[in-house]
Amino acid sequence: DAGVTQSPTHLIKTRGQQVTLRCSPKSGHDTVSWYQQALGQGPQFIFQYYEEEERQRGNFPDRFSGHQFPNYSSELNVNALLLGDSALYLCASSLGRNTEAFFGQGTRLTVV
Amino acid sequence: AQKVTQAQTEISVVEKEDVTLDCVYETRDTTYYLFWYKQPPSGELVFLIRRNSFDEQNEISGRYSWNFQKSTSSFNFTITASQVVDSAVYFCALSEGSFLVAGNMLTFGGGTRLMVKP
Repeated sequence: DAGVTQSPTHLIKTRGQQVTLRCSPKSGHDTVSWYQQALGQGPQFIFQYYEEEERQRGNFPDRFSGHQFPNYSSELNVNALLLGDSALYLCASSLGRNTEAFFGQGTRLTVV
Repeated sequence: AQKVTQAQTEISVVEKEDVTLDCVYETRDTTYYLFWYKQPPSGELVFLIRRNSFDEQNEISGRYSWNFQKSTSSFNFTITASQVVDSAVYFCALSEGSFLVAGNMLTFGGGTRLMVKP
């Protein structure tokens, strides 16, 4: 049973570019949440997708957007990248919004 | 607003020592959930425990134990007889409101890096 898988594992982008990160939830899970974890800090909630809609959003600018597909997989898009966007981006999946979240290994984004 | 504080940024112990990781939280809700996660170098967050605000009973799972005290807004985590494999970053997290309403949006503390030396 595959857990939460994220791609790519590492990514280097230039300031001002756009990036798309991908997440496949654990089998049977239908809810995906995204977190940003800066180096040496705890993860911060970006947003959560359920039934292909954004259900909750943390304190992140509109440059951060997402999508959930009918197969429950999800994408995180970040436009106009800033150096401060460099972080580990974690995806978590759950069955519904009310159960434990299982995390993937993350995508390490470096903006230069 | 909800907040989680882990005052210990880094702890170093020798194998077989007991170690306690502190977690203090702030919330205005009477219903909330507290969590502990382990983050090994691979990066993924591994779920350890979830407790709701109405259940103050301490819990033990093998070498792990948790002490939840609402009076001091603390949810501390103790590892007994630590092992090298316990080396990781540990995060305490909070989810406000009823799980049925708030879902599983988590507010994390800054984490405590635990190093267990042989």
